[in-house]
Amino acid sequence: NAGVMQNPRHLVRRRGQEARLRCSPMKGHSHVYWYRQLPEEGLKFMVYLQKENIIDESGMPKERFSAEFPKEGPSILRIQQVVRGDSAAYFCASSTQGEGEQFFGPGTRLTVL
Amino acid sequence: AQSVAQPEDQVNVAEGNPLTVKCTYSVSGNPYLFWYVQYPNRGLQFLLKYITGDNLVKGSYGFEAEFNKSQTSFHLKKPSALVSDSALYFCAVRPSSSNTGKLIFGQGTTLQVKP
Repeated sequence: NAGVMQNPRHLVRRRGQEARLRCSPMKGHSHVYWYRQLPEEGLKFMVYLQKENIIDESGMPKERFSAEFPKEGPSILRIQQVVRGDSAAYFCASSTQGEGEQFFGPGTRLTVL
Repeated sequence: AQSVAQPEDQVNVAEGNPLTVKCTYSVSGNPYLFWYVQYPNRGLQFLLKYITGDNLVKGSYGFEAEFNKSQTSFHLKKPSALVSDSALYFCAVRPSSSNTGKLIFGQGTTLQVKP
């Protein structure tokens, strides 16, 4: 059973470009969480999704950031018009239910030049 | 505001000695408590969790943690450290009031085990 998969592992973008981060949850998991880890900091919750629904987006910046988890395919975290402050590691976690243990992916490290 | 504190940025210990990584939390109700470990350029790996029951929880790789409700602490411990335990450790809390399962993380503690 493959773990949580994220791609790309490393992503470099110039200011103003778009970044798309993908997360495939573990098999059988229908709950996905996105967290951001800024340099020298802990992980900060961004958004929680179930298939086709955003359940909690209280940690998402109000502008430029969006997330989806379609019926088919991976969850996508999209950052439009990236700025240098978006440079961070973005981790995805999945669980079988909202209260279940979360399994983390290896992360995508976004660098904005 | 709900928060998790790991007061030490770094803990240094000699191999074979006991280790403690501290964690305190400020969350209402009876939270779920977790410890994760992160190796360089890797994702977080689950170590252990406390939900209810015995205050001493045993986890992976010989680690354990003690829940202390009066002190709102959940310190990570290991009787005998290994060099391979050197990594970044995160304490996390899921408030019992949360119906979404989101975790609140501490800022992390780097553990250095010297041979």
